[in-house]
Amino acid sequence: AQRVTQPEKLLSVFKGAPVELKCNYSYSGSPELFWYVQYSRQRLQLLLRHISRESIKGFTADLNKGETSFHLKKPFAQEEDSAMYYCALMTRPGGGNKLTFGTGTQLKVEL
Amino acid sequence: ETGVTQSPTHLIKTRGQQVTLRCSSQSGHNTVSWYQQALGQGPQFIFQYYREEENGRGNFPPRFSGLQFPNYSSELNVNALELDDSALYLCASSPRGGSSYNEQFFGPGTRLTVL
Repeated sequence: AQRVTQPEKLLSVFKGAPVELKCNYSYSGSPELFWYVQYSRQRLQLLLRHISRESIKGFTADLNKGETSFHLKKPFAQEEDSAMYYCALMTRPGGGNKLTFGTGTQLKVEL
Repeated sequence: ETGVTQSPTHLIKTRGQQVTLRCSSQSGHNTVSWYQQALGQGPQFIFQYYREEENGRGNFPPRFSGLQFPNYSSELNVNALELDDSALYLCASSPRGGSSYNEQFFGPGTRLTVL
């Protein structure tokens, strides 16, 4: 069965410091990975997906199949980055698309 | 473009009762997924509906059931409510397709409390 692990419940950094939110996955198939973000009082929204190899709001994430990791990184944290971040793995049971989420990491950027 | 909407926002029920939660998908989306998010946890997949048929189910008992209507809106029904059913229930819609580019768009959720 698939599994997503986010080892840190809370990550606190100072503004301007680098950020790395850790995500490890367990899946026997070819992984499709995503990062979702939830800002205060807002709904869950997609931040980025590995297949696009894009940078969104300065965040990047590289899929490392050898280490089964998909860590989220940003070189310089901003106050507006404070939010809850979820790593998610997509699988396709029965032709549909199902997301398996980690437990999330609360990022707090301090001034 | 209208986003995913859910109703009601909050709901309080007692153990043993039944509840129905509703979701309207984003315009142009024909697939709806339901997730349960317990306090301090990530969302857990309940099931998905496509063309009014269940299209994938997570590890939830049969007392969790759903419907999808011709306009792609959806209902989640939970019978014989238990205390552990207290959670935020999220609905997500997406366009159908086999590509990873099919993003799931989430609604604001319904907060269910079972007493």
